[in-house]
Amino acid sequence: EVQLLESGGGLIQPGGSLRLSCAASGFTFSSYTMTWVRQAPGKGLEWVSTIYGDGGYTYYADSVKGRFTISRDNSKNTLYLQVNSLRAEDTAIYYCAKGVGNSGYTNYFDYWGQGTLATVSS
Amino acid sequence: EVVMTQSPATLSVSLGERATLSCRASQSVDSNLAWYQQKPGQAPRLLIFGASTRATGIPVRFSGSGSGTDFTLTISNLQSEDFAVYYCQQYNNWPLSFGGGTKVEIK
Repeated sequence: EVQLLESGGGLIQPGGSLRLSCAASGFTFSSYTMTWVRQAPGKGLEWVSTIYGDGGYTYYADSVKGRFTISRDNSKNTLYLQVNSLRAEDTAIYYCAKGVGNSGYTNYFDYWGQGTLATVSS
Repeated sequence: EVVMTQSPATLSVSLGERATLSCRASQSVDSNLAWYQQKPGQAPRLLIFGASTRATGIPVRFSGSGSGTDFTLTISNLQSEDFAVYYCQQYNNWPLSFGGGTKVEIK
């Protein structure tokens, strides 16, 4: 059974940093792209970042480029999102999501975690 | 950047009726379009990929159609568990993008 479990959220002051984690199980982690999607309170889904299976390719939304860094440790089956220079508008539930492959048009998401809430406030 | 626009924002439908949700892309995304369902307090669930292929375990009352820039999600014979927010997502181009969502509510 595929499971994705996010952690690392919390209350953080503007300008601060967090490291979000997503522990994966039930599939061959290194064979799939992984993605972070966020959802501000009461709002829609926003794609944040994607990393390919070997970590060699990464993509970011313009809204987070230069502030967020996606990474993965395939030996630990864990996805990360380092979030720096946080702003109030970064307040959201952050979901990790599994892609359906590692090449071609496979960046839609068949499994999602339950999310971790990051609240940016002074 | 491909902008995804969903309409209507809210759809009021009676149990047993049909719901038709629209998703439009600002440029062609071929058939690289997915639909998700999200209920309050839950993560999204994949319904449709490739514009028209149902994901594993998705009931046949959910169907998707379209290609290029115009897509439709149809939910036939609405059940109580179908009242939720639905999002489309294109995966043809970077950056990936979601539509703003359509809330399907009980009429």
